Amino acid sequence: GAGVSQSPSNKVTEKGKDVELRCDPISGHTALYWYRQRLGQGLEFLIYFQGNSAPDKSGLPSDRFSAERTGESVSTLTIQRTQQEDSAVYLCASSRTSRGGSGELFFGEGSRLTVL
Amino acid sequence: GENVEQHPSTLSVQEGDSAVIKCTYSDSASNYFPWYKQELGKRPQLIIDIRSNVGEKKDQRIAVTLNKTAKHFSLHITETQPEDSAVYFCAASMGNAGGTSYGKLTFGQGTILTVHP
Repeated sequence: GAGVSQSPSNKVTEKGKDVELRCDPISGHTALYWYRQRLGQGLEFLIYFQGNSAPDKSGLPSDRFSAERTGESVSTLTIQRTQQEDSAVYLCASSRTSRGGSGELFFGEGSRLTVL
Repeated sequence: GENVEQHPSTLSVQEGDSAVIKCTYSDSASNYFPWYKQELGKRPQLIIDIRSNVGEKKDQRIAVTLNKTAKHFSLHITETQPEDSAVYFCAASMGNAGGTSYGKLTFGQGTILTVHP
């Protein structure tokens, strides 16, 4: 596709359930990022993947959050035992990385998670 | 870690006026400073960015200035138009020589800009 694709666009779940969010980056983009955006707030970095390197997980808020990426393709963000404070829009972004290149992130439309 | 403060939180201007949004950052090692625009219900999109080896950058009606000594940077929009109405986010990161990690951004809290016709 032409842009970053995320699914589902909306997810309503009950507290304590697990959820899985999917991101399909732009073809050829080696870097993939997950951000969280709470209502009326800025974006919070969660995790990023760069090629086959170990992911930078420094932004994950707790061990209930995990993410995987196979090669330079699809990524899934998993939230286990969801809590109400996990309610937010989860944004995925991808970028090309090259020495001295642009740092522009191309964002998906986001997955809006509501935990009841 | 890095901390980015953004002001004002809301800004209302008349069409044709200029708008200025300011951000400060805490980590002197940060070297990349993008600005993203997010229209209501839409994805954030990059509008301009600046690296720490440059003091100012312009793109038509938009300009960004960077003061590394004071650790602050600003977005300037001239001749504002109603379609400039959106939330604007500043951000900072420390990119490495290999080109990775520029996208590991610390964002400000955002500025809601409203341009009245």
